[in-house]
This record gives sequence, structure tokens and C-alpha cells, in this order.
Amino acid sequence: GEDVEQSLFLSVREGDSSVINCTYTDSSSTYLYWYKQEPGAGLQLLTYIFSNMDMKQDQRLTVLLNKKDKHLSLRIADTQTGDSAIYFCALEDTGRRALTFGSGTRLQVQP
Amino acid sequence: AAGVIQSPRHLIKEKRETATLKCYPIPRHDTVYWYQQGPGQDPQFLISFYEKMQSDKGSIPDRFSAQQFSDYHSELNMSSLELGDSALYFCASSLYRTNQPQHFGDGTRLSIL
Repeated sequence: GEDVEQSLFLSVREGDSSVINCTYTDSSSTYLYWYKQEPGAGLQLLTYIFSNMDMKQDQRLTVLLNKKDKHLSLRIADTQTGDSAIYFCALEDTGRRALTFGSGTRLQVQP
Repeated sequence: AAGVIQSPRHLIKEKRETATLKCYPIPRHDTVYWYQQGPGQDPQFLISFYEKMQSDKGSIPDRFSAQQFSDYHSELNMSSLELGDSALYFCASSLYRTNQPQHFGDGTRLSIL
């Protein structure tokens, strides 16, 4: 099955850019997602990218997809304290449509 | 815009009891997915339904069952509860043929004493 990996922790200063990385093993995913989860809360869909795209920008968020290296990244520009949360990448299995999640990256934004 | 509604938000049960979690998808969504997120873990896919039929099965224990009803809401039934079932249970919905992303509810936090 799909294996999705993320680094566990990232700390940045307010106003800096954050880059959260995700690597995966199965290249057949159609869609790749980024979700945000605040403590005790649900999963908020931030953005997603179709597998035939290399980049998608949405306000402060930029998603980069390198299919050759099976690497997905999320860049948050001008990071704010309100961005502190756990960020999950998730891949959609083309056949099943079930999502396989990475282990999550805890982003800590220091004032 | 209407979102995925899950009830209850919190549920406390004892070992060997049963529990039923409910999920109301976004209007016109025909597909429902259930995920389980243990403490400090990533969400794991349990089961999904499309047009009231089970469409896929993940790591759902045999003690759990689920169904989707004619109004597209879904229920996850859990029996012989164990301490390890304590988790956040998410429901997500989507409109299958549009390939639009899954939208998640806020989850039901199940605590087993």
C-alpha cells in the first residue's frame, strides 16, 4: 500500500515562510491534499493539487509537486501564529478514493 | 455553506459497551467515508459507501459495522468496545463522479473508560 512520510516538527518565526514536505511511494494518486488540524479540532482542507500539475498557488499557500521524486511540499508565506497546527498531506488512491495520510507535521510559529 | 455534520461530538463509554456514531454528509454528496484517528496518530481509513452500498473497506475491525441510508446519512456501529477504540472518528463526504475533494466533519471523540 501507499506509504506517506512527513517530518514531525517545524518551528518558524512569525513573518517567515514555512515549507512542509511530504514524500510518498505510490505514483498512481490522482489528487494530493493538504489538511490542517488544530488541537482537538477537525481536519480543514487547505488546498489540493491534481497529479498532472506541478504547482498551485492559493493566496499565501503554494503547493509544489515533483512527480519524479514523489515529493509534495506546502509553502506558507508570511506565517502567522494562527498557522500553528498539525499539517497532514494526504493522497487519494485512484481506485479506492480513500485517503492515505502522512504522519503530520506540527508547525510551531514563534512570535 | 453546509458542512458535514457528525453526532455526537463527544461520547464516553465503558469497555464492552456499544456505540453508534452518525454522519450527515454535505447535501447532494453521495459518498461517505469513515476514518479513525488515534491519539497522536494520523487518520486511518475504515470504510466508505457510495449510493448506499459499501464501496471500499480499510482497517475496520470486525466488531464495527456501518451503513448508509436512503437520505445518504451514515452510521458507524461499534460493539464490544475496547480501550484501544478511544479515538477521534471522522466522517467525510464527496460527490463521487466529480472527483472533488473529500470534506471532513469535526469528528466524534470517543473515550472508552
